[in-house]
This record gives sequence, structure tokens and C-alpha cells, in this order.
Amino acid sequence: DQQVKQNSPSLSVQEGRISILNCDYTNSMFDYFLWYKKYPAEGPTFLISISSIKDKNEDGRFTVFLNKSAKHLSLHIVPSQPGDSAVYLCSGQGGSEKLVFGKGMKLTVNP
Amino acid sequence: NAGVTQTPKFRVLKTGQSMTLLCAQDMNHEYMYWYRQDPGMGLRLIHYSVGEGTTAKGEVPDGYNVSRLKKQNFLLGLESAAPSQTSVYFCASSAQGSEPQHFGDGTRLSIL
Repeated sequence: DQQVKQNSPSLSVQEGRISILNCDYTNSMFDYFLWYKKYPAEGPTFLISISSIKDKNEDGRFTVFLNKSAKHLSLHIVPSQPGDSAVYLCSGQGGSEKLVFGKGMKLTVNP
Repeated sequence: NAGVTQTPKFRVLKTGQSMTLLCAQDMNHEYMYWYRQDPGMGLRLIHYSVGEGTTAKGEVPDGYNVSRLKKQNFLLGLESAAPSQTSVYFCASSAQGSEPQHFGDGTRLSIL
């Protein structure tokens, strides 16, 4: 059973536009969510996180929104840049659960 | 800053061979993790450690063993490699369990 779901495998946007990456989770015990960015042949790097006590966290061009009732979170990138092209991994943890990752979404930002 | 270093970066094994993957971190982190990543799947936790001398099973521990004899090192062992263990293996570390994890660049392991 997938506890963290990234249902869209890929997204393509134009440079300067907004990128919205979605993530759903099923485990009600999750209270902390993290987004990682991954380039080919490299390890994931931490991007931004959000605690369940918040519904929004912003860091520069990156904003994560959390809707606990819907068990849904989204990552917004504004404006999108070609260097943002990567695979984005959504993850959640909480209670006795270790960090659980989604399958990832490949973002392509076209110049 | 080296961060998390994995050795080797690539390896090809024959079925039944054994090997050890080494992970080293220079951030004085307490927690260390081993994941595997397979096509179409998310990162899956194999084993983890919450401090020197401790290890615990993750989601997919079968066929693997680990050791954390020194705080900075976390070793992943395959005693008898199987083709199903062909994967990319990532090591990560974090200061605490609730802190973001820092990842190495992975070990690409093929078992024929």
C-alpha cells in the first residue's frame, strides 16, 4: 500500500510560469512532510518542509501547501527556471513511521 | 564539505557473491539510513541506525545486513547477492530523526 502518492509522473512548464507538483498521503500519523529534488546520477537534496501545525511554508520561489483534511500537499515553484528541471520527491513521516517517499515527479522547465 | 560519501559508485557482481557498500558522513550525524531505488518505485528504506552501535530494520531488510561500528560509517552488506538486488543504493544521514536527511550520490549495483 503506497502511503505517499505522486500520481502524475511528469510535468512540463514554460520558463517563468508556475509549476505545481501534487502529493497525496494515506497515513494519518504523518505530521511532517519534506520535498526533495533529485538530479540524474546524484542523490536527493532537501528542498523544503512543512509541519502539520502549518498549512503553508515558503522559501524563496518555493512554497509548500498542506491540506490535512484532504491529506494533500502541493509544491509551488514561481517563477519556474530551467535549472528547476529535476525529479521531485514528496515524503512524509510521523509517529513511529520512518520517512516514506513517493515515486517522484519529473519536472521539465522549457526555456 | 564532503557530506555523505558512498563507496563504490558502481559495481557488477555475479549471483552468490558478497560485497559491502560503505557510507561515510562528516557531519557528526546520529542517524544514518540505507535506501534502495528501483524503476517506478520510490526510495525504500532497507536498514537504519539511530546512533553508533545500533541498527534497525526498515521496510525491505531481507538479504541485507548492516553495521555501525563508528558513528561516521554505516556499512551495508550483501552476503549472497541475487539479481533482485540489482538497484541504486542511497545512503543518508540526519542529525535527528525529524531533521532533513542528507544523501550520498548513490551506488549503482548490478547483479548478473
